[in-house]
Amino acid sequence: GNSVTQMEGPVTLSEEAFLTINCTYTATGYPSLFWYVQYPGEGLQLLLKATKADDKGSNKGFEATYRKETTSFHLEKGSVQVSDSAVYFCALPNQAGTALIFGKGTTLSVSS
Amino acid sequence: DVKVTQSSRYLVKRTGEKVFLECVQDMDHENMFWYRQDPGLGLRLIYFSYDVKMKEKGDIPEGYSVSREKKERFSLILESASTNQTSMYLCASWGAGRTEAFFGQGTRLTVV
Repeated sequence: GNSVTQMEGPVTLSEEAFLTINCTYTATGYPSLFWYVQYPGEGLQLLLKATKADDKGSNKGFEATYRKETTSFHLEKGSVQVSDSAVYFCALPNQAGTALIFGKGTTLSVSS
Repeated sequence: DVKVTQSSRYLVKRTGEKVFLECVQDMDHENMFWYRQDPGLGLRLIYFSYDVKMKEKGDIPEGYSVSREKKERFSLILESASTNQTSMYLCASWGAGRTEAFFGQGTRLTVV
């Protein structure tokens, strides 16, 4: 079935540093891919998504490109802020398309 | 503003108690989910429902049951709470287009 693997954390960065969080997937076909973010004390919210190969999702300065050749959907941001400190989850639908499967999450901590 | 609302942010229950976690969504979504979130394990799917009175087991259904009597409400039931069910529980809903899943704020359950 479908699965997703993302880099383990925590990731600790200084403000204005470049961020990459790696995500690779295994899937039948070409499902939509998602990044969700969980701020402290809150539930998850959609950060960005891509629905087909070579699509780039973007939001709040974050970007991720759907790469079918490398089965990857890495999250990047050119200059992180303290307010970006959160847990980030890569996700895709299960094979039946009935639910989302999530990676284990990567904790990002940004200091000023 | 669309919403998924979980009835409690924090719960403390005793071992052996029957526990009800309630979730309500106001988006008229067909699909609703219960996930469990644990450090290092990410989100794991407990149960989901694609219609009123319909339910499907997820990856870790043991020790849990669910109820969906109305479209907007999805309840998770711990028949006899145990300490290994201490966790963060997240409810989510997903419309027919399956473009974005919306999450509640989570219920942190402690079983003592």
